Amino acid sequence: DTGVSQNPRHKITKRGQNVTFRCDPISEHNRLYWYRQTLGQGPEFLTYFQNEAQLEKSRLLSDRFSAERPKGSFSTLEIQRTEQGDSAMYLCASSSWTATGEAFFGQGTRLTVV
Amino acid sequence: AQRVTQPEKLLSVFKGAPVELKCNYSYSGSPELFWYVQYSRQRLQLLLRHISRESIKGFTADLNKGETSFHLKKPFAQEEDSAMYYCALRSGTPLVFGKGTRLSVIA
Repeated sequence: DTGVSQNPRHKITKRGQNVTFRCDPISEHNRLYWYRQTLGQGPEFLTYFQNEAQLEKSRLLSDRFSAERPKGSFSTLEIQRTEQGDSAMYLCASSSWTATGEAFFGQGTRLTVV
Repeated sequence: AQRVTQPEKLLSVFKGAPVELKCNYSYSGSPELFWYVQYSRQRLQLLLRHISRESIKGFTADLNKGETSFHLKKPFAQEEDSAMYYCALRSGTPLVFGKGTRLSVIA
């Protein structure tokens, strides 16, 4: 499968624990995006990278959230001190550098905080 | 602020009936508009974009700047069209999505 890959697919964690998700974009895509989707909502933008540079962060990205893309390839999203409100599907997408580049989505990581 | 509104959470139609999924947006400039679709147990995928002006799986969408709308239409619904449909806007880089409409096509 040469599409966007996310791991793990599911994560159950206790409130207060830290979790980390990984996204492997389509190779040669230099843009990578993180979205969050809760029940009954569309995907909500969190942050995006162009190569290794984090260029934009949403107000949804509280200081407990941090994202990295150290070598401009895969990315990680870490949530510290998880809260029940963090329970959601976390989606990763990647696209090429062109302005009209289509965004390809991964299958997401479903986080449940108990 | 950029905003995408999909007024219907659920739309049920009979097989062979016409389908129209509504999408309105608010943005003062010239955005790009998209429709994404998510079939059961599959990832979100692009269905069509307004700049392509093409028909995909029989679906079309016309950007109406006067009414700030980008409604998705299909003349004859098929059972395999049952899915979640999301309208999205892009001005700059990240996509802004609506809340989605679940289309259910009844045999």
